[in-house]
Amino acid sequence: EAGVTQFPSHSVIEKGQTVTLRCDPISGHDNLYWYRRVMGKEIKFLLHFVKESKQDESGMPNNRFLAERTGGTYSTLKVQPAELEDSGVYFCASSPNSGQGTYEQYFGPGTRLTVT
Amino acid sequence: GDSVTQMEGPVTLSEEAFLTINCTYTATGYPSLFWYVQYPGEGLQLLLKATKADDKGSNKGFEATYRKETTSFHLEKGSVQVSDSAVYFCALIRSRGSASKIIFGSGTRLSIRP
Repeated sequence: EAGVTQFPSHSVIEKGQTVTLRCDPISGHDNLYWYRRVMGKEIKFLLHFVKESKQDESGMPNNRFLAERTGGTYSTLKVQPAELEDSGVYFCASSPNSGQGTYEQYFGPGTRLTVT
Repeated sequence: GDSVTQMEGPVTLSEEAFLTINCTYTATGYPSLFWYVQYPGEGLQLLLKATKADDKGSNKGFEATYRKETTSFHLEKGSVQVSDSAVYFCALIRSRGSASKIIFGSGTRLSIRP
């Protein structure tokens, strides 16, 4: 069974540009999460999808970040325009079964974003 | 709000040494607790978990016991190996209805010398 995949693995962009990160969850997982680790600090929650619906987006830092999960399969996270403080590693995770909040979350390898 | 505090690194040990990485948490109720590990160049992997007080999670020689009275979940291993070099994250999961999120500590980088 394929794990969670993320693309690209590394992205370097200039301040003010736009970047789109993609996450493909494990097939059949209804729950999809985005997290990020900035400047070697703790990994912080961004948002949680259940199928195509945003269940909790309380961790999204500001309106420069837009997450979508059309069709309830893969998800994209767009940063527009990117700022220097957006640099970090963006992780995606997925877990099975809607409504089962304590299920283990399976993480992808992360996308390292560098904004210069 | 909920939070996780773990000992800061980096931690450097010799092979076969005893390892402890301290972790304490602040949360309402009784969340499930986890240790995640990130090996160089790889993603986060669940190392072990405990879902209720006094549970002991174990995997690959690592252990951690859910201590409600001290709100702790310290990670231990009796004899570390070079292959254990990684970043370790203590975490809890907070669920409300169908929404859930993991709250992580800041991570502890562990380096094992041969």
